[in-house]
Amino acid sequence: AQSVTQLGSHVSVSEGALVLLRCNYSSSVPPYLFWYVQYPNQGLQLLLKYTSAATLVKGINGFEAEFKKSETSFHLTKPSAHMSDAAEYFCAVSEGDTDKLIFGTGTRLQVFP
Amino acid sequence: SQTIHQWPATLVQPVGSPLSLECTVEGTSNPNLYWYRQAAGRGLQLLFYSVGIGQISSEVPQNLSASRPQDRQFILSSKKLLLSDSGFYLCAWSLSGTETQYFGPGTRLLVL
Repeated sequence: AQSVTQLGSHVSVSEGALVLLRCNYSSSVPPYLFWYVQYPNQGLQLLLKYTSAATLVKGINGFEAEFKKSETSFHLTKPSAHMSDAAEYFCAVSEGDTDKLIFGTGTRLQVFP
Repeated sequence: SQTIHQWPATLVQPVGSPLSLECTVEGTSNPNLYWYRQAAGRGLQLLFYSVGIGQISSEVPQNLSASRPQDRQFILSSKKLLLSDSGFYLCAWSLSGTETQYFGPGTRLLVL
């Protein structure tokens, strides 16, 4: 069965520092992988998605993620954090035989000045 | 372009009262529709999933129900709310046959 694990429920970085949010997946079929961002009291917004094309996926707001099959990982990175990046980030994997997604438990990113 | 609406944005209800949350999608036809609940400090829990009018799959046993009376309308209901029903309710849609989901702004429900 497909599953997603997000390591670290909270991550804190200084403004300008590297952002690294970790996501590992388990899937019995070639997965589609997603990162979503949720700002306070809002819905989820799609950051980027991997659909078996290039393994390095670029998203909005300067974020990117790299699909590593050997490590079953899809970590989200941004070279330089901005205060506006403070939000909760969710990794998700496609279920496989339906259009449903399996979401991780989320990582809350704090950015300090 | 497609848009998704949810209302109300915020709701405070007493225990035992009924519930009706509405979600509508514009700019697409025959979307898949989803209801999620996000409890404080927890991830997203898929509650219901619909691939068409009148077709509802329940993911988690509970005192909530969902209906899809029209192609782009998805309603979440309860006859009697519990304290544990408090949370942030999110509606989402996707094109049939694709996995990318697009979320509405959410409804925050507080049951007292």
